[in-house]
Amino acid sequence: QVHLLESGPGLVKPSETLSLTCVVSGYSISSGYYWVWIRQPPGKGLEWMGSIFDSGTTFYNPSLKGRVTISVDASKNLLSLKLTSVTASDTAVYYCARPGHGDGFDYWGQGTLVTVSS
Amino acid sequence: QSALTQPASVSGSPGQSITISCTGTSIDVGGYNYVSWYQKHPGKAPKLMIYDVINRPSGVSYRFSGSKSGNTASLTISGLQAEDEADYYCTSYTRSGSYVFGTGTKVTVL
Repeated sequence: QVHLLESGPGLVKPSETLSLTCVVSGYSISSGYYWVWIRQPPGKGLEWMGSIFDSGTTFYNPSLKGRVTISVDASKNLLSLKLTSVTASDTAVYYCARPGHGDGFDYWGQGTLVTVSS
Repeated sequence: QSALTQPASVSGSPGQSITISCTGTSIDVGGYNYVSWYQKHPGKAPKLMIYDVINRPSGVSYRFSGSKSGNTASLTISGLQAEDEADYYCTSYTRSGSYVFGTGTKVTVL
């Protein structure tokens, strides 16, 4: 059974870089599929942030204007997210996820809340 | 990229059927059969209900079904139950390899 668990600092200061990791268990992260980061600001909808394929190819949400980087550390079986120059609008619950059936995201982490505040 | 358009809220009585629409464009919903639907309860991770427009993962009730016509996808919940009360989001693959979510629909069981 694939299990994903996000972790990172719960509080980040404005203009700093938000860094999160997603530890994957039950599946080798380099064995295929692709992985995504999705977030949900308080009281708002879901937003796809980006995807990374096992080839290393990445796709990012253009609305994040080049602030986002997604990477994989195969040796640690984890997925990483970096978001630079954060503002209060980046306050959200951040999820990592992976498809299992077709193009739908079957597997999700529990989510981690990140608050941007001084 | 603009979010897909969903009604803000839909309601129905137990046992009734409701349909949630998800309207995009030819570069997302209309261009690919890669529309998924998610159920979201507060404080919980989203749950995949429908993938690739019409397919239901194992374990998801037969009461949930998906369809698509042109640039609009739909999720139908038949035999509405109290446990179906949640937020629902569609998402679609888009040209350029990205994904876009819908604005979300709050389903209320009266």
